[in-house]
Amino acid sequence: QLVLTQSPSASASLGASVKLTCTLSSGHSSYAIAWHQQQPEKGPRYLMKLNSDGSHSKGDGIPDRFSGSSSGAERYLTISSLQSEDEADYYCQTWGTGSWVFGGGTKLTVL
Amino acid sequence: QVQLQESGPGLVKPSGTLSLTCAVSGGSISSSNWWSWVRQPPGKGLEWIGEIYHSGSTNYNPSLKSRVTISVDKSKNQFSLKLSSVTAADTAVYYCARDATAAGGGLYWGQGTLVTVSS
Repeated sequence: QLVLTQSPSASASLGASVKLTCTLSSGHSSYAIAWHQQQPEKGPRYLMKLNSDGSHSKGDGIPDRFSGSSSGAERYLTISSLQSEDEADYYCQTWGTGSWVFGGGTKLTVL
Repeated sequence: QVQLQESGPGLVKPSGTLSLTCAVSGGSISSSNWWSWVRQPPGKGLEWIGEIYHSGSTNYNPSLKSRVTISVDKSKNQFSLKLSSVTAADTAVYYCARDATAAGGGLYWGQGTLVTVSS
């Protein structure tokens, strides 16, 4: 079964960097994922599509501070030079056979 | 730039049918994209409902499949969601989305619309 696992919460200081993790279930390590940001009281915003080889294509207007990388079944979102507006929920999502699957989301707190 | 806008009743009675429309502007619904519906109950995560291609091909979340119908109206450049036999558990913000990632593009979200199921 295709499942995405995310830590429920993360925190980092203003100006620092943070690396969020999304783990694909066993047997699905070749799958690409997408990262989405959801700021408080707003709808989701597409950040990027991240492939298993670490290559990624970002959405329109996404700053260079956001980058993605991959290792095995792990997919990472790194946010550098953290700003207050980066405090948000971050969801990973992938494509199954005729379906989408979402991770549970990680709530990022900027200290 | 393609934009998506959800519309429909904000209140639906239990056992009734939820009906929403997603209007597509700035582009054609007949482009080679899948068009999806996603919902988010208050305080919870995102749940995919289903998707449709302009040809009318559909895929649905197995957990909702028996109650969901997604259709496309090319003449109006829009697609729609119907969810039958609703309960309070269907109360959520409903988003429509355009998935152009398979063609090297991005994924675009509507702003969402809150639907409350209550008598």
